[in-house]
Amino acid sequence: EPEVTQTPSHQVTQMGQEVILRCVPISNHLYFYWYRQILGQKVEFLVSFYNNEISEKSEIFDDQFSVERPDGSNFTLKIRSTKLEDSAMYFCASSPDRYHEQFFGPGTRLTVL
Amino acid sequence: GDSVTQMEGPVTLSEEAFLTINCTYTATGYPSLFWYVQYPGEGLQLLLKATKADDKGSNKGFEATYRKETTSFHLEKGSVQVSDSAVYFCALSLPFSGGYNKLIFGAGTRLAVHP
Repeated sequence: EPEVTQTPSHQVTQMGQEVILRCVPISNHLYFYWYRQILGQKVEFLVSFYNNEISEKSEIFDDQFSVERPDGSNFTLKIRSTKLEDSAMYFCASSPDRYHEQFFGPGTRLTVL
Repeated sequence: GDSVTQMEGPVTLSEEAFLTINCTYTATGYPSLFWYVQYPGEGLQLLLKATKADDKGSNKGFEATYRKETTSFHLEKGSVQVSDSAVYFCALSLPFSGGYNKLIFGAGTRLAVHP
């Protein structure tokens, strides 16, 4: 059964450093999403991406964040200058269209020291 | 704004007990409703969904009915197993909002089932 994969599973970085979180969505899906979950808090929507552009973003998704689909398979989330409060589990998701459920990856735990 | 409220956990049950996890929502439009489950060390998996009022979603013995009059989508299972131990998330989506189907999640409820 096809699944969404994410790498790395755990990333540790120093405050101020850039990180790139990688996701491989399910191959025939067209919509892509990033969510995050700070420890003990809700899963929060960050951004949705379709047709090579951002379709919606939340207030959390400020200028420090960017997303890219650099080739036909990967979908990345970049944080330019990490802050302590960026420490969270980041989930990637994809769906075949806007009316179908989203399929989630296992997440990347980001720890900012 | 749109939001989901679910009962706080942890919920601790013995095997074969009856499970209810309450979920209520606030939405400006007509949402689709979902339950996702997260097993230890894994990502979120869709457990069941309902897209209109009075729909009942069901999967793996779990059920939830979309109640528009009470804005609720409570999760139930008649007889839980140890393997059901996980975190359960209620969520909504407004697919016609122009928002491309973003999900709004509740805080999650941890379920622990003991033999």
